[in-house]
Formats: sequence, C-alpha cells, structure tokens
Amino acid sequence: GAVVSQHPSRVICKSGTSVKIECRSLDFQATTMFWYRQFPKQSLMLMATSNEGSKATYEQGVEKDKFLINHASLTLSTLTVTSAHPEDSSFYICSASSGTSDSYEQYFGPGTRLTVT
Amino acid sequence: QKEVEQDPGPLSVPEGAIVSLNCTYSNSAFQYFMWYRQYSRKGPELLMYTYSSGNKEDGRFTAQVDKSSKYISLFIRDSQPSDSATYLCATHSGGYQKVTFGTGTKLQVIP
Repeated sequence: GAVVSQHPSRVICKSGTSVKIECRSLDFQATTMFWYRQFPKQSLMLMATSNEGSKATYEQGVEKDKFLINHASLTLSTLTVTSAHPEDSSFYICSASSGTSDSYEQYFGPGTRLTVT
Repeated sequence: QKEVEQDPGPLSVPEGAIVSLNCTYSNSAFQYFMWYRQYSRKGPELLMYTYSSGNKEDGRFTAQVDKSSKYISLFIRDSQPSDSATYLCATHSGGYQKVTFGTGTKLQVIP
C-alpha cells in the first residue's frame, strides 16, 4: 500500500515556541492531505483538509492562525503549531489521498507525539 | 448524538476466538464504510472498506454492513495476539466529504 511518513515522530518543546511537523507521501502524489488530532481514548478529530497549491480548509473550532498548514507540493504538507501551549500537547496524525472523488482511501502517517512543557 | 458510535471496550478474548466489533451510525447519507487498525502510538492502517450494504472478506477478516439498521461489523476469525490493537470504524458519504471516525475499540487477544 501507499506509504506516508511523518517527521518528527515525537517532539518536546517549551511553551511559547513553534513546532513544525512534516507529512510526506513517499510513493504517490497526494493532492489532498488531512491533519488530525487524537487525544487518549478518543477518536481522530479532523483539524483541516489541504489541497496542493491552495489554502487549507479548517474545521469549525480550529484556529487557523495557530495551526498553520502548508501544502506546497504533491508529496509534502506541513503543520506548524505556533506559540504552543501545554493544552496543544497531543498526537497529531496526517493522512494523504490521491485525490479521486472517492476520497475514502486515506493513507495515514505514523503520527507525531507533541509535548509542550 | 455522535454520528458514529463505537463501544470503546476494552475487549479481551483468548487466542483463537472469533471477535466481533461493531459500530452504529446515524447519517443515512454514508455510503462507504471502513475499518482501521491502530497499534499503540502509531497511525491507523486501513484494514477493509465496503461500499453500501453487504459483506466483504479478506483472510481472517470479514466486514459487514447493514444499511437498513445503520450497523457495521468487523469479524476476526482465529484471533491472534498480533491482532491486539484499537479498531476504528469510519464512514464516508462519497465525493469530497470528510471521513467520520468512531472512537475505536481496544482489543486484546490473550495467548
């Protein structure tokens, strides 16, 4: 199956700093990438959908100025958590789709564990 | 009411047992139904997907969808310790609509 990588796998940062997470599709072109957040024992919460070359579409309640998403190429999307706070600590997972109308086939990255101290 | 409801478990079974995992959903527009397996601290892995009602089998896994009752199931035969993971059901209405996930059921297969 298609492979999606994320980097870093885990990061610890101090409150007030910014953190960038990369999501790459390694063997296919991802016209659409999704960013999720997952809290312990809870489901995946979609944060935003990004299409290559255009602005991301954020879900209700997600601050676009805090969670900056860039999808500059067909294989790379980045999520930057700006001015991170302890409540931003979570598991962030990206997924990628080749962009057909049946976008159910999403391939997930391994996730990034963010801890803000 | 959540759009997709799933019992969080945990569910513990002995090795070799048949496992039944279930979800219910409320939106009749959902057409695609998926099951993902997620190991601890890893991203979800797509196990199976089905379109509309019916059954789909892949090795030890069988996915079943009953749209009349808005009920989806995943059966695992001859369960193995390596099947221990969290299983997430998910639904999708097609087109460029977002996927809606259940909360996941944690399964433990005891050797």
